[in-house]
Amino acid sequence: QVTLRESGPALVKPTQTLTLTCAFSGFSLTTVGMGVSWIRQPPGKALEWLARIDWDDDKYYSTALKTRLTISKDTSKNQVVLTMSNVDPGDTATYYCARYGAGSDAFDIWGQGTMVTVSS
Amino acid sequence: DIQMTQSPSSLSASVGDRLTISCRASQSINSHLNWYQQKPGKAPKLLIYEASSLQRGVPSRFSGTESGTDFSLTISGLQPEDFATYFCQQSYSTPHTFGQGTKVDMK
Repeated sequence: QVTLRESGPALVKPTQTLTLTCAFSGFSLTTVGMGVSWIRQPPGKALEWLARIDWDDDKYYSTALKTRLTISKDTSKNQVVLTMSNVDPGDTATYYCARYGAGSDAFDIWGQGTMVTVSS
Repeated sequence: DIQMTQSPSSLSASVGDRLTISCRASQSINSHLNWYQQKPGKAPKLLIYEASSLQRGVPSRFSGTESGTDFSLTISGLQPEDFATYFCQQSYSTPHTFGQGTKVDMK
């Protein structure tokens, strides 16, 4: 059974760095073609794709946020970490991680999401 | 970045209705279009991938079509559990952009 679970702080102050962890099971990020993406959703708004890391350590970022984002993986721990620097209230959202590349280039399995509020 | 324009932003429907949601890409994306369903407080769920392939376990009343850069999701015979928000997403290139969503509520 494939699962992903996001974790991180519920509250972050403006200008701080946000670190989110996606712990997954049921698949390996060493499998050719596999990847994990981060996607966020501000309350009541649309989904916004943030970043993706692939099995070969290739990394891709949102054009608007690429200067603030870093994605990395630890295959031994089955984890993907996303850091976002210099957060502001506009970064308040539910953050999801999702599997990519398992038989298609869609996000077939998603975590439950973690809500992050940026406020002083 | 490829822009995804989804319409309508909302629609009201009744159980049993046939409804269609549209999504237009700003350039060719070669069938790399996916559809998701999201219910309040839940993560999105993949319905259709590569424009017209039904994800395993998704009811056959959901279908997807494409015509050039125009894509459609059709629900044939709306069920009570289908009242939700639907998003399209292109996977042709990064950044993987989403449409703005279509909320389907009860008439």
